[in-house]
Amino acid sequence: AQSVTQPDIHITVSEGASLELRCNYSYGATPYLFWYVQSPGQGLQLLLKYFSGDTLVQGIKGFEAEFKRSQSSFNLRKPSVHWSDAAEYFCAVGPHPSSGTYKYIFGTGTRLKVLA
Amino acid sequence: NAGVTQTPKFQVLKTGQSMTLQCAQDMNHEYMSWYRQDPGMGLRLIHYSVGAGITDQGEVPNGYNVSRSTTEDFPLRLLSAAPSQTSVYFCASSPGAEMGYGYTFGSGTRLTVV
Repeated sequence: AQSVTQPDIHITVSEGASLELRCNYSYGATPYLFWYVQSPGQGLQLLLKYFSGDTLVQGIKGFEAEFKRSQSSFNLRKPSVHWSDAAEYFCAVGPHPSSGTYKYIFGTGTRLKVLA
Repeated sequence: NAGVTQTPKFQVLKTGQSMTLQCAQDMNHEYMSWYRQDPGMGLRLIHYSVGAGITDQGEVPNGYNVSRSTTEDFPLRLLSAAPSQTSVYFCASSPGAEMGYGYTFGSGTRLTVV
């Protein structure tokens, strides 16, 4: 079955520190992979996506993510966290043309707290 | 501004009442979905549509109906509200179902069933 796992429910980092949020997926083929961010009381905003090519993708707000096929992972990184990055982050897999499905599946989210 | 518009933003229902959550997008997106968000459970897919006149069930469809008579609108109907349907509901749209575009999300409807 298709699934997305975000093993960290909460992460706390100091402002200026580096950040890595983990995401593992289970899928029959290489899926489309996404990271979204949700600020309190808001909808989700797309940070970045991957579906082929260079395994390191750049997104908005200084975020990047690396696809590792051997580990079925798509971890989100940022070299230096800002206080405004405090939010909840969701990893998601999207339907690939070979999958026969049209469903996007989301992880349970990682809530990021940033210490001043 | 172009995007996904959800109404209402907040709603309180009594058990057994019915209501419709509205969702409209002005981006000519073919693919639209409804999710519910509950603490610790992420976003769970309720129903989705790959185009006008075509809908299908997601992970948690029970108690909800949808229809897609136009490309722009994708309303979600609660037939007989139950406390278990207390949640935040998000509508999302995408240019295509399987093209890797990603979603544009609405700002959500917070529903409380008492």
